[in-house]
Amino acid sequence: DTGVSQDPRHKITKRGQNVTFRCDPISEHNRLYWYRQTLGQGPEFLTYFQNEAQLEKSRLLSDRFSAERPKGSFSTLEIQRTEQGDSAMYLCASSHTPLLGTQYFGPGTRLLVL
Amino acid sequence: AQSVTQLDSQVPVFEEAPVELRCNYSSSVSVYLFWYVQYPNQGLQLLLKYLSGSTLVKGINGFEAEFNKSQTSFHLRKPSVHISDTAEYFCAVSDMGGSEKLVFGKGTKLTVNP
Repeated sequence: DTGVSQDPRHKITKRGQNVTFRCDPISEHNRLYWYRQTLGQGPEFLTYFQNEAQLEKSRLLSDRFSAERPKGSFSTLEIQRTEQGDSAMYLCASSHTPLLGTQYFGPGTRLLVL
Repeated sequence: AQSVTQLDSQVPVFEEAPVELRCNYSSSVSVYLFWYVQYPNQGLQLLLKYLSGSTLVKGINGFEAEFNKSQTSFHLRKPSVHISDTAEYFCAVSDMGGSEKLVFGKGTKLTVNP
């Protein structure tokens, strides 16, 4: 069991550029979640997938954000036309229903938009 | 909707002293309760969780928490802390069934001094 992995761990970009992050969940976990954590705050829910279906999106997820999980395994989170306010840690977590509630987190991708 | 309040943003203690980190929640539905720990520049690690049953829950690293439904609290305790317990601690809730997305508090920074 290799745990949840995320790539890249750090990303520095200029305002207006597009960025894409990848999350590989624990194998056979059917749920995958994305959260965003800004400095001094707890993580905030962005979206989640059950298998390949995206079932819920937070209002934090503006039109510039898109997430996919095409084969029900890894997931990508893309941010288009980045803004300085997008600077944050992006965390991915996975879980296996019906093992209720326990989400296992990856190390996160820290994004800095200059 | 759920919300979580962590009453202390910072808690300094001396090594081998007891510690309590406070957490209160609000929810119109039944919830699961969690404590996660985050070490610098890392993702979140599950300390313990309450799903049902006994209200006293034991977790890793000697931590325990008690669920109090009437006071809507889930305080985290450790009888004797170590320097290595220095980290950020997050209380979280998730709805039973549904998305089980986590709603986090703002975190409590525990600093253990020698």
